[in-house]
Amino acid sequence: KAGVTQTPRYLIKTRGQQVTLSCSPISGHRSVSWYQQTPGQGLQFLFEYFSETQRNKGNFPGRFSGRQFSNSRSEMNVSTLELGDSALYLCASSSTGGAFSPLHFGNGTRLTVT
Amino acid sequence: AQSVAQPEDQVNVAEGNPLTVKCTYSVSGNPYLFWYVQYPNRGLQFLLKYITGDNLVKGSYGFEAEFNKSQTSFHLKKPSALVSDSALYFCAVRVNDKIIFGKGTRLHILP
Repeated sequence: KAGVTQTPRYLIKTRGQQVTLSCSPISGHRSVSWYQQTPGQGLQFLFEYFSETQRNKGNFPGRFSGRQFSNSRSEMNVSTLELGDSALYLCASSSTGGAFSPLHFGNGTRLTVT
Repeated sequence: AQSVAQPEDQVNVAEGNPLTVKCTYSVSGNPYLFWYVQYPNRGLQFLLKYITGDNLVKGSYGFEAEFNKSQTSFHLKKPSALVSDSALYFCAVRVNDKIIFGKGTRLHILP
């Protein structure tokens, strides 16, 4: 089975621009969640989608948004980029998104905002 | 506030020695506990989980973890460390549909 695929692996953007990151979950997995990883803050939960519906949301500003398509693929969008948005963005999928289900992570998209 | 603490930013262990990576949590409700490992330029990989039952759980790559309810801890252990165990380790807690990660502990295994 193919793992979680995130594209692109690297992105360089300028302050004020917007960016879209893509995530393809493991086949059959219906839950996709997104995380921001920075050296200072560690791993922070952004949001989770299940069957095209946002099920949970972390404490991030509205500039961060996402969606999930009918094939479970997910996109994350960040508008009006700020320098502090530079981070590794990780996507994870799980079969049901239930508390018992371990997360399967992609290798991430490293976003640099200049 | 609910939180997960990994009190050590870095742990150094000689190859062949036992290792312990510490994790404590403070949550309301019954937590489900996980350990993940991250290698350079990669995402996190699931190691093991505690849901209920035996307090000692075994996982991938010879790792195990001990759940201690009274101390609200879930320490990761391995009897004999390998150089290839060098990585960043994250403890995570799921409670009430939320997931909280610790800040991570960098494990260095010295040859």
